[in-house]
Amino acid sequence: EDQVTQSPEALRLQEGESSSLNCSYTVSGLRGLFWYRQDPGKGPEFLFTLYSAGEEKEKERLKATLTKKESFLHITAPKPEDSATYLCAVLGSGGSYIPTFGRGTSLIVHP
Amino acid sequence: DVKVTQSSRYLVKRTGEKVFLECVQDMDHENMFWYRQDPGLGLRLIYFSYDVKMKEKGDIPEGYSVSREKKERFSLILESASTNQTSMYLCASSPLGPAGGYTFGSGTRLTVV
Repeated sequence: EDQVTQSPEALRLQEGESSSLNCSYTVSGLRGLFWYRQDPGKGPEFLFTLYSAGEEKEKERLKATLTKKESFLHITAPKPEDSATYLCAVLGSGGSYIPTFGRGTSLIVHP
Repeated sequence: DVKVTQSSRYLVKRTGEKVFLECVQDMDHENMFWYRQDPGLGLRLIYFSYDVKMKEKGDIPEGYSVSREKKERFSLILESASTNQTSMYLCASSPLGPAGGYTFGSGTRLTVV
């Protein structure tokens, strides 16, 4: 059974204070690891897909990296508008198209 | 801009009512999904569909049914709403292959009183 654990559950940063969110996973044959951003009261918004260890993707202040056991979402010089819950999900090689989601990390960036 | 549209942002229904939540996607995606999201429980899969007129149970199908008569539309039905079905309901779609992640709708906040 695929498993995803995100840490920390909650993170408070000052504006400009860089940090990283962690997504640890166990999966039999990774087909894809996905990062989403979710604002309160809204649906998750797709950010990145990573497929193999060593891969990196960037979007503005966000950079996602992938190893064989975990993924990091690095946030460089965050701004208050980066405040959101960040969800990680993995899709294994089990044949279905149902990813396993983590519980998310709630990020608050104070001005 | 590609989209998954959920018909209502907020709904208030009475216990015992039959409730319909509608979801439409314009990306020609084969796969469509219904989740509910509750604090501390994360996303839980209710039902999904890989094709028209096809449906599969997810992790928590009890008390729900679905309908997919057209490729672009996936409806979630609460047969007899109960207070424990008060939740945020999220529809999502994805292409057939594993390459892409989900595209989610904006969600429907359902309150059953």
